Amino acid sequence: NAGVTQTPKFQVLKTGQSMTLQCAQDMNHEYMSWYRQDPGMGLRLIHYSVGAGITDQGEVPNGYNVSRSTTEDFPLRLLSAAPSQTSVYFCASNTGGRSYGYTFGSGTRLTVV
Amino acid sequence: AQKITQTQPGMFVQEKEAVTLDCTYDTSDPSYGLFWYKQPSSGEMIFLIYQGSYDQQNATEGRYSLNFQKARKSANLVISASQLGDSAMYFCAMRDTGANSKLTFGKGITLSVRP
Repeated sequence: NAGVTQTPKFQVLKTGQSMTLQCAQDMNHEYMSWYRQDPGMGLRLIHYSVGAGITDQGEVPNGYNVSRSTTEDFPLRLLSAAPSQTSVYFCASNTGGRSYGYTFGSGTRLTVV
Repeated sequence: AQKITQTQPGMFVQEKEAVTLDCTYDTSDPSYGLFWYKQPSSGEMIFLIYQGSYDQQNATEGRYSLNFQKARKSANLVISASQLGDSAMYFCAMRDTGANSKLTFGKGITLSVRP
């Protein structure tokens, strides 16, 4: 099925380790973004991209890097994992037009110990 | 800065009754969009309904309707004829300043439907 695919679904990291959360969409959406969800906080924007080669910071970018080399892929890199980055991470995409259908991936539950 | 406020504590509703979930927002932009998402216990984010700031009529999607009161900056979600499967977390979100803009989310409301 077309949509947004996130991998892995679950991950446990040790403090200081690095890893990449993968996000891919096959809808030719220009706009992609990463959110983290923490209890009682809603979803907060980490980074977003309005097209290949263009990225920008969201509300909580510290500790994360992104790149957008293709329209399809938007990976999120944790440089040196910290317990404060324990969260559920969502990738979302949108056509970039007035379309109001933001499509979310199924999420990655990350635990940093 | 844009802000979404959802202050209701956990909500309870009897099956087959209607329920209103409150959302207020704050923005200085004249053009914006308001969204409601549902997050069941399985964790996925499900788009429910959208309202544009210039839309003349309140949005409806099946059992979902959005009570949009622009002057009061409120965008309440109304679920009619609640079903057990409506038990979930519900998020209000806002997009402004152009179609590529970011979504700002509220903290969410937990709805429990009683049989």
